[in-house]
Amino acid sequence: EVQVLESGGGLVQPGGSLRLSCAASGFTFGSYAMTWVRQAPGKGLECVSNIGVSGSTYYADSVKGRFTISRDNSQNTVYLQMNSLRAEDTAVYYCAKTSGGSWSFDYWGQGTLVTVSS
Amino acid sequence: EIVMTQSPATLSVSPGERATLSCRASQSVGSNLAWYQQKSGQAPRLLIYGASTRATDIPARFSGRGSGTEFTLTISSLQSEDFAVYYCQQCNNWPFTFGPGTTVDIK
Repeated sequence: EVQVLESGGGLVQPGGSLRLSCAASGFTFGSYAMTWVRQAPGKGLECVSNIGVSGSTYYADSVKGRFTISRDNSQNTVYLQMNSLRAEDTAVYYCAKTSGGSWSFDYWGQGTLVTVSS
Repeated sequence: EIVMTQSPATLSVSPGERATLSCRASQSVGSNLAWYQQKSGQAPRLLIYGASTRATDIPARFSGRGSGTEFTLTISSLQSEDFAVYYCQQCNNWPFTFGPGTTVDIK
């Protein structure tokens, strides 16, 4: 059974940092791209960052230069290092596995809430 | 960035009725279009990928069609568990953008 489990969310002050983790199981982790998607309270979905099987990375313009995605295939884990956090980064952050047949997201975690507030 | 729009914003439907949701891309995305269902407090669930292929364990009452810039999701006979928010997403160009969603609620 495929499982995706995020952790690391919490309350942080503006300008602060946080590192999210996403532990995956039930599939050959190193063979799939992984993506972080966020959802601000009451709002829609936004792709934040993606990391491919070769380690190639992509970022939304809104987080470029502040967030860093990485993966550890030996630990079946993907990370999102978030620096210089702003109030507008407040959201539930989901980790999602990319489908092998397309770039859609076939398995999602339950999400972890990041709140940026003083 | 490709902008995705969805219509209507809200669709009120009676159980057993048919629902048709629309999604439009600001430029062609080929068939690289996915549909997700999200219920309150839950993560999104993949319904359709490649514009028309149902994901694993998705009932046959869900169908998708379209290519290029115009897409539809049809739910042939709404069940109580289908009342939710539905998002389309283009998976052609990064960033993979989502539409604003269509809420399907009970009439």
